[in-house]
Amino acid sequence: AQKVTQAQTEISVVEKEDVTLDCVYETRDTTYYLFWYKQPPSGELVFLIRRNSFDEQNEISGRYSWNFQKSTSSFNFTITASQVVDSAVYFCALSGRLYNFNKFYFGSGTKLNVKP
Amino acid sequence: GAGVSQSPSNKVTEKGKDVELRCDPISGHTALYWYRQSLGQGLEFLIYFQGNSAPDKSGLPSDRFSAERTGGSVSTLTIQRTQQEDSAVYLCASSLADSGRLGETQYFGPGTRLLVL
Repeated sequence: AQKVTQAQTEISVVEKEDVTLDCVYETRDTTYYLFWYKQPPSGELVFLIRRNSFDEQNEISGRYSWNFQKSTSSFNFTITASQVVDSAVYFCALSGRLYNFNKFYFGSGTKLNVKP
Repeated sequence: GAGVSQSPSNKVTEKGKDVELRCDPISGHTALYWYRQSLGQGLEFLIYFQGNSAPDKSGLPSDRFSAERTGGSVSTLTIQRTQQEDSAVYLCASSLADSGRLGETQYFGPGTRLLVL
């Protein structure tokens, strides 16, 4: 079965704090892809990152960083020095060979509130 | 270039009426997906198209829901005899996925907000 769990329903931080959003996945595939999307209040999902299962290197993009650990089936997302504009719902997603990589399994999302 | 577009952006209808939701994918994208997002909830997969065919219709909630895609481009999601529980945001996404490309990113449209009274 393919499943993505985002246990944190909602997180509130004060601006400039660091925050980590957790994502744990389940899959029987050996080849799979993981994604993070941001959904701001406007509603449109914005792609943030795509990572394949063979690349466990952490990635940093500005204030964003991602920690992929196959040993714990986790793909966590950290925002450093959070800003009010980071307030959004963040979704983690998984796609695998079982469905030819075309079916995305989304977590239930984590709502991040960044207060000034 | 242009992103995924959806129309209408908002739709209010009466229970029992049929509605059609339209999605224009990014030019050149062979795969197209429909999702439903109820208020405050995650994304529920409905259906995806590879070209004009739909290999996976398993997510369609009932036989009142149908979708088609013509010319490998525009797709229409039709909901017949709408019910109040159909009220949600319907999101469309597209990707370059084909036999030679794996795990392609899905790019989303702004969604259609459907309210069934």
